Amino acid sequence: AQTVTQSQPEMSVQEAETVTLSCTYDTSENNYYLFWYKQPPSRQMILVIRQEAYKQQNATENRFSVNFQKAAKSFSLKISDSQLGDTAMYFCAFRQGGSEKLVFGKGTKLTVNP
Amino acid sequence: DTGVSQNPRHKITKRGQNVTFRCDPISEHNRLYWYRQTLGQGPEFLTYFQNEAQLEKSRLLSDRFSAERPKGSFSTLEIQRTEQGDSAMYLCASSLPELGEKLFFGSGTQLSVL
Repeated sequence: AQTVTQSQPEMSVQEAETVTLSCTYDTSENNYYLFWYKQPPSRQMILVIRQEAYKQQNATENRFSVNFQKAAKSFSLKISDSQLGDTAMYFCAFRQGGSEKLVFGKGTKLTVNP
Repeated sequence: DTGVSQNPRHKITKRGQNVTFRCDPISEHNRLYWYRQTLGQGPEFLTYFQNEAQLEKSRLLSDRFSAERPKGSFSTLEIQRTEQGDSAMYLCASSLPELGEKLFFGSGTQLSVL
């Protein structure tokens, strides 16, 4: 079974600085997708960024980028120029090709300090 | 577009009672998902519908759990003979294939079983 591990339960960063959240996963499959979701205190999960395993180029979305290391099964999220609104739980998630099931990690609580 | 709507927001019940939750997806989203999230954990997949067909179901969905999406629009999740271990946040999400992998989540229904 696929597993997703987020080794940092909590992190904090100063406003305008950069922070990196770690995620590792375990799978024997070659066709899969990786995601970072954000869950602010209002509770609605929001997709931050996604990465297809077959793409070597790291995905970027404005201030958010990933470092996808397929051989190491690592998928970290970098947030640049952190903003107070980035304060939230961040979940790394995995989806195997052919399945609609997302497997989530336990999450990292990020606090952006003014 | 008012987003994914879930009702009720909170439900308190006694052990052994049956409960039903409702999810209204974003209109025209043909994919609908149910997840369960306990404190300190990431969401766990329960089931997935494409239109009215239930195409994927987790082993977590025991005989006491049933989900329906009779007309391919709203969905209900019923838990029979509730147990204290059922206490969790139940999240619904919807998507459209044209939108890629992006799931739109509702705010969830918080279930407390006393």
